[in-house]
Amino acid sequence: EDKVVQSPLSLVVHEGDTVTLNCSYEVTNFRSLLWYKQEKKAPTFLFMLTSSGIEKKSGRLSSILDKKELFSILNITATQTGDSAVYLCAVDKEGAQKLVFGQGTRLTINP
Amino acid sequence: NAGVTQTPKFQVLKTGQSMTLQCAQDMNHNSMYWYRQDPGMGLRLIYYSASEGTTDKGEVPNGYNVSRLNKREFSLRLESAAPSQTSVYFCASRLAGPVYNEQFFGPGTRLTVL
Repeated sequence: EDKVVQSPLSLVVHEGDTVTLNCSYEVTNFRSLLWYKQEKKAPTFLFMLTSSGIEKKSGRLSSILDKKELFSILNITATQTGDSAVYLCAVDKEGAQKLVFGQGTRLTINP
Repeated sequence: NAGVTQTPKFQVLKTGQSMTLQCAQDMNHNSMYWYRQDPGMGLRLIYYSASEGTTDKGEVPNGYNVSRLNKREFSLRLESAAPSQTSVYFCASRLAGPVYNEQFFGPGTRLTVL
């Protein structure tokens, strides 16, 4: 059975800290891994990763994939209160028309 | 370009009542999805439609039916609502093909079943 597991489930840090969110997966026919950010409403797309070892970066957010060890990390440096959200990891499979989502990590940034 | 739209935004039902959640996208996407999101559970796929004319069950299809009315619209029906169906429902769409494209999500419908 396909599985995507995120850790931690919840994280509270102070503004300015750096955080690392984890996503591990066990799926057949892996194609890509996606990260989404969800504030109060719909998830919004952050990154899509298909190749091992190539970092994707957007401002203070970055992500990398390890296809040998079957995990990805999402790093956020110099966190701000606006980074408070649920971060969702999802895996796309070859030949499948749907994503497999993890449970999400609820990140809270305190001022 | 509205993206993915959902109606209604909020709904309260009594146990046993029926209702249909509407979803439409204007991005010419071929695949559409219905998810539910409960606290601590992430997104769980209810049904999806890989292309116009096809629908398939996801992880949690019991108690729901869907209709892919045309390429733009994908509706979710609760025939006899139960309190366990209290949740936030998200519709999503994407252009599926050999190169992956991300899913775009609608704003969600918050449903409470009393």
